[in-house]
Order: sequence, then C-alpha cells, then structure tokens
Amino acid sequence: EVQLVESGGGLVQPGGSLRLSCAASGFTFSDHYMDWVRQAPGKGLEWVGRSRDKVNSYTTEYAASVKGRFTVSRDDSKNSLFLQMNSLKTEDTAVYYCARRNTHGDNDYWGQGTLVTVSS
Amino acid sequence: DIQMTQSPSSLSASVGDRVTITCRASQGIGRSLAWLQQKPGKAPKSLISAASSLQSGVPSKFSGSVSGTDFTLTINSLQPEDFATYYCQQYQSYPLTFGGGTKVEIK
Repeated sequence: EVQLVESGGGLVQPGGSLRLSCAASGFTFSDHYMDWVRQAPGKGLEWVGRSRDKVNSYTTEYAASVKGRFTVSRDDSKNSLFLQMNSLKTEDTAVYYCARRNTHGDNDYWGQGTLVTVSS
Repeated sequence: DIQMTQSPSSLSASVGDRVTITCRASQGIGRSLAWLQQKPGKAPKSLISAASSLQSGVPSKFSGSVSGTDFTLTINSLQPEDFATYYCQQYQSYPLTFGGGTKVEIK
C-alpha cells in the first residue's frame, strides 16, 4: 500500500525557516518524481515544487512564489522527500502535501498534509 | 503560465442527480489533465488522469472527457459520499496549475 506521511509543520515567525519531511512507503521511491503542493486555509491547491528522480539528476522545479526561498530535496536511501522553507512569509501559511507523480505525469497518491503557520 | 478556469465554483444537487463540471485551459495541454476530489479536512484524492482514465478503484460513475481545451468531469447518480470539492489540474507544463475548485453541495 502506497503511503506518504508528512511531518515538520508548526508555527514559525515571519522571516523564519522550517523543514518539512515526507516519508514514503509501499513503492519504489527512487523511481518517482515527487511534488509538494500547498493549500492556504479555505483556498484552493497551489503547486510548490518538484524533485525529479536519480535518472534525471534529481533536478528541481519551483513555483515563482517560492523560488529562491524554498528548496526541494530527497534522500532515496531513506525514502524521504524534504522541503526546506526559508524567509517565510505570512502568505506561506498553508497545509503542505507531498504527492507522488506517476509514470503518466499526474499525482496519483497524496499524503495527509502538515500545517505550517507563519505568524508573529 | 497555463490558467485553468473551472466552472461553476459551486453547485447544489440532489442525491441521484448527474452533475457536470468544466475546466478550460488557457492554451493547449493535450490530454494532460487530472481531476481530484477533496473532502473537508482531507487530502485530495486522484479520480481521473489523462483527461478520461479512471484511477484504480474509482467507481465508473465518474467520467472525464475533452474537446480541445475544454475538459469535463461528469458524476452520475450523485451519492452522499460524492459531496466534496473537485479540482482540475494540468500537468503539461510548469508551473503545474489547478482550477479554482467546484464545491458540490447537497440541495
């Protein structure tokens, strides 16, 4: 059974940093691109960033709203995906989901999410 | 960026109804469109990929179609468990983008 479990959310002050983790199981993690998607309270879904697989040199893509502040990384030996968030702003407050990209290109499995609150 | 215009933003329907939700892409995305269902306080769940392919385990009352840049999600015989918010997502190009969502409520 595919499982994605996010952790690391919490309350952080504006300008602060936070690192989210996503623990994957039930599939060959190293074979898949992985995404972060967020959802501000009461709002819709917003794609944040992507890590490609080893074959594609673990290259990354980012939304313009987080580029230069957020970094997606992964550790295939630990079946884990990470999101390092720096220079956090109040508008980064959201539930952050990790999602698996399947071979067809869409996100077929999603984690349960972890809440990040940026507030003074 | 590719804009995904989803309509309606909300609708009220009765159990047993058929409902249709539309998503229009601002430029061609081929069939690179997914439909997601999200219930309150829960993670999104993938229903359909490649515009019309049902994910494993998704009941056949859900169907998707495409005509050019217009994509449609149809739900037949609406049941209580189908009341949720539905999103479309294009994955043709970066940044990946979502429609604004359609909240399906009980009439």
